[in-house]
Amino acid sequence: DAKTTQPNSMESNEEEPVHLPCNHSTISGTDYIHWYRQLPSQGPEYVIHGLTSNVNNRMASLAIAEDRKSSTLILHRATLRDAAVYYCILRDVNAGGTSYGKLTFGQGTILTVHP
Amino acid sequence: DSGVTQTPKHLITATGQRVTLRCSPRSGDLSVYWYQQSLDQGLQFLIQYYNGEERAKGNILERFSAQQFPDLHSELNLSSLELGDSALYFCASSVDPRTTDTQYFGPGTRLTVL
Repeated sequence: DAKTTQPNSMESNEEEPVHLPCNHSTISGTDYIHWYRQLPSQGPEYVIHGLTSNVNNRMASLAIAEDRKSSTLILHRATLRDAAVYYCILRDVNAGGTSYGKLTFGQGTILTVHP
Repeated sequence: DSGVTQTPKHLITATGQRVTLRCSPRSGDLSVYWYQQSLDQGLQFLIQYYNGEERAKGNILERFSAQQFPDLHSELNLSSLELGDSALYFCASSVDPRTTDTQYFGPGTRLTVL
């Protein structure tokens, strides 16, 4: 699996934008970039995913560099409820065998949101 | 609420024992995944089933086994339990792992082995 690198932790103030970076310099052409988050005492939760173009949904935006070697998850207005561990995951849609369908979680970024 | 249910929420047992964790996927989802989350290893993929068949295996110990039944619910069986098996066990489901579809995670089962 291609590897991702994220900062261990980040802090933000409530109602301010948050930019969570992810480096994936060995990304392949068939790797989709997925973001999941895990709130305290809960299971992981899907946030957003993309391949090449920037993506927006009701939760966040995903900005993907032109060379695809990095991406940034953008929370436009952080709330206290956004405090979580954010995971950037590469998922190869052509993966077979033992990689079929699985998510490979790294250490993620612990986001702290201050009131 | 993701629509994925897991039982029990908590399980406390002794070393050497055997336990069964149960997962009911979201309605319509054919694929079930099991993950283990421990403090030292983080979130690790264990095994995946699609429509009753095993499709992928991760770092699952030989003492662990799983299956997916015709009604699509899944069970993870952990035997000869050791202290190090204490962890959160998550089940996730998705419609079809061959696409980029979302995995929906359940609330987890917290296993404590004493």
